[in-house]
Amino acid sequence: DAGVIQSPRHEVTEMGQEVTLRCKPISGHDYLFWYRQTMMRGLELLIYFNNNVPIDDSGMPEDRFSAKMPNASFSTLKIQPSEPRDSAVYFCASSRLAGGPGTDTQYFGPGTRLTVL
Amino acid sequence: AQSVSQHNHHVILSEAASLELGCNYSYGGTVNLFWYVQYPGQHLQLLLKYFSGDPLVKGIKGFEAEFIKSKFSFNLRKPSVQWSDTAEYFCAVGSSNTGKLIFGQGTTLQVKP
Repeated sequence: DAGVIQSPRHEVTEMGQEVTLRCKPISGHDYLFWYRQTMMRGLELLIYFNNNVPIDDSGMPEDRFSAKMPNASFSTLKIQPSEPRDSAVYFCASSRLAGGPGTDTQYFGPGTRLTVL
Repeated sequence: AQSVSQHNHHVILSEAASLELGCNYSYGGTVNLFWYVQYPGQHLQLLLKYFSGDPLVKGIKGFEAEFIKSKFSFNLRKPSVQWSDTAEYFCAVGSSNTGKLIFGQGTTLQVKP
């Protein structure tokens, strides 16, 4: 298995631009997670999906952030408009078990390093 | 509420030194415990996990962790570190009751050759 795939690996954009991050989870995994990692705040869960349905988006910082999962093999995280404080590494992860996010190993993608100028 | 605390933010060791990274959590119910590692420039990967059974868990690369329920702790240990262990280490606590997995702030380990 190729593991969790994320694109792009690096993104540099200007403030106010729309940014779309993409993720392909491991085939057969029912859960998909989006995390943000910064020096100041560490690793934060933004949102997670179960069987393509958003379950908990309480970590999404504000309305500028949105996430979709149109099918079991693809998810996007969009920031519109982007701001310099959104600069971070964004990770996607997936897992298998039906017990919920805390009950099985999460497999992380390589991350997207976003820089907003 | 569920929370995780990693006491050491930055640890510097020489090769062959012993390692212990602290992790404490707060949650009164049944927990699942994880240690993840993030090598420089790479993604997080699982080191070891504890769900039930023997509280001493062995993971990859010679790491182990001990779950002490009375102390709400899950400290990570390695008897002799190598330069290649330089990485950031995250403790995480999950619960099927809350449906959440909470990560600690992470500990950066620097091993000097």
